[in-house]
Amino acid sequence: AQSVSQHNHHVILSEAASLELGCNYSYGGTVNLFWYVQYPGQHLQLLLKYFSGDPLVKGIKGFEAEFIKSKFSFNLRKPSVQWSDTAEYFCAVNRNNFNKFYFGSGTKLNVKP
Amino acid sequence: GAVVSQHPSRVICKSGTSVKIECRSLDFQATTMFWYRQFPKQSLMLMATSNEGSKATYEQGVEKDKFLINHASLTLSTLTVTSAHPEDSSFYICSARLVVGYNEQFFGPGTRLTVL
Repeated sequence: AQSVSQHNHHVILSEAASLELGCNYSYGGTVNLFWYVQYPGQHLQLLLKYFSGDPLVKGIKGFEAEFIKSKFSFNLRKPSVQWSDTAEYFCAVNRNNFNKFYFGSGTKLNVKP
Repeated sequence: GAVVSQHPSRVICKSGTSVKIECRSLDFQATTMFWYRQFPKQSLMLMATSNEGSKATYEQGVEKDKFLINHASLTLSTLTVTSAHPEDSSFYICSARLVVGYNEQFFGPGTRLTVL
């Protein structure tokens, strides 16, 4: 069965620290990959997505993610976090040409000012 | 980006009653909408895929007679929780897929259901 793993459940950082959130998936075929963010009290918003091409994807607000096919990973990074990045981050995988999205369990990020 | 709304945002009901939640795509047509359930401190669990003009496809373990889904138009899908029980209390989120373009979903703000 398809599964998405986010190993960091809760991350606490100080402002200006670098961030990397892990995401691994189990499906071996062609996939589309996403990172969504949920700010406190708000709905899910797309941060970035990968469909094909350059495996290093740049998203909004300075976030980027790298797709490493051999590792079945799509880790999210940001060089310098801000207090406003405090939110919950979800990795999601969609099998190419299939409707279903599979989400990871989420990572709560707290950035201390 | 595309906007998806949900109504109501919060509902409290008595055990045994039915509750209807609406999901609307406001500025685009969505042939496919999705219903998720989010438990506290857990991720979104896909409940069903709603296709305009046809029956919904339910995920394994989701009771289709309990969670009725109707997708009557390209901009509206409804989820009705029938004979609700306290264990149905949860956060229900819908999303809509763009008809054209890359496979991407846009999420509604969610509906908090509390069954007393």
